[in-house]
Formats: sequence, C-alpha cells, structure tokens
Amino acid sequence: DADVTQTPRNRITKTGKRIMLECSQTKGHDRMYWYRQDPGLGLRLIYYSFDVKDINKGEISDGYSVSRQAQAKFSLSLESAIPNQTALYFCATSDPGDGPSTDTQYFGPGTRLTVL
Amino acid sequence: DQQVKQNSPSLSVQEGRISILNCDYTNSMFDYFLWYKKYPAEGPTFLISISSIKDKNEDGRFTVFLNKSAKHLSLHIVPSQPGDSAVYFCAAKRNAGNMLTFGGGTRLMVKP
Repeated sequence: DADVTQTPRNRITKTGKRIMLECSQTKGHDRMYWYRQDPGLGLRLIYYSFDVKDINKGEISDGYSVSRQAQAKFSLSLESAIPNQTALYFCATSDPGDGPSTDTQYFGPGTRLTVL
Repeated sequence: DQQVKQNSPSLSVQEGRISILNCDYTNSMFDYFLWYKKYPAEGPTFLISISSIKDKNEDGRFTVFLNKSAKHLSLHIVPSQPGDSAVYFCAAKRNAGNMLTFGGGTRLMVKP
C-alpha cells in the first residue's frame, strides 16, 4: 500500500464549485504539504503544516484553504474554483529528524484537477 | 521571479552515455539542494541531495555537483538507462525551514 495517498486522482469541475482534495499518510510524519504543478513552473507550495495545530501559508495560498484533521490527514479546499486553478496537485509529508538531510519530502501520486 | 531555474525543458540522450541536467538559482540563502525524479502519473521521488558545504555528492550512477560561486548545480547520470527517462526537478531550501523551491523541471529521454 502507498504511504501517501490522494483522493480523488482526477476531478473535473465547473467554475464556482467548492472542491476538496484529500491526503492521507501512513508514514507517521508530522509535517505535511500541498503543492500545485503547472507546466514549466515546477511545483509551488500552497500550504504546509508542521503538526496538527500548525497551518502556514505557502507561496500561492490565495483561493485555497486547508484543514489538518489529524496527524495523518491534510485536506486542501478550493472554495470557489476558477479555471486558472486547473493543475496537478501534490501532497507531501516529511519528518524533520535531526537535520536537513533527513527531512526528505515524500509525495503522493497527485490529483489532476480541471476547472471548466 | 523564479529563484530556481532549469533552462532546458527537455534532453535526449543515447543509452549508455552521460546525461547532464543543469539548474541555476538566485537566492544565496539556499544551503541545501535536492533532485527529484518524476514518472508519469506518480509523485516526485527523492533522488539525491547536496549540502552547500560540499561541491560533490555521488550515489551510484548519480552525481550532483554544486558550484556556489556560479549558483549552479548539475546532475550527472552515468551510464544513462532507458528507465531513467522521467522529469527531473531541481529543488532548494534554507536550513531554517523545510520549504522547497522547485525549478520547472527537465524531461529526460534516454533512447535505447
């Protein structure tokens, strides 16, 4: 079984709809992240959470919100989807350990979201 | 403005030859650099990393070189194999946090 799972894997929705993307992990990591990938721009950080009570905005948080329901679950919501939010969305987890070399991020398989 | 850039969107190499993927950065506060590999329909997976106190790190067929004065790093794959065909992302971070800044990716195609 995959350590980091994302649901749904694909979603097509219409402008103005509310969408929730879910991420679950069995790695026991405290840190979780949401990224979006656009062609030529790589992955950009939307939100991150270092523990259940910690939520932080990333580089491109406008139009998004998150919820950290438990250590293992981190959801991303688009309150009112718009076409330029069409992208590939990735969830990731990490464990700080004792230094940067051990805080590797592990990614889920991604959710392809299309907003019409 | 992108702080991490991969100026070659694609690279084609013959099996058995060397693949060299390049990455440039602008933020001098970055002190740790990583390469991730991504296959279609999968998430990126960690490949190799290097601290800013080093100029080379090697792991099997993969070697990362860092030139701090030029703010440039490269990933060498020798020998290249068809299974190496994927998109490679360069990423950088500061030791003070774990927020990764990614480059736009380079699609490597290794031809048999």
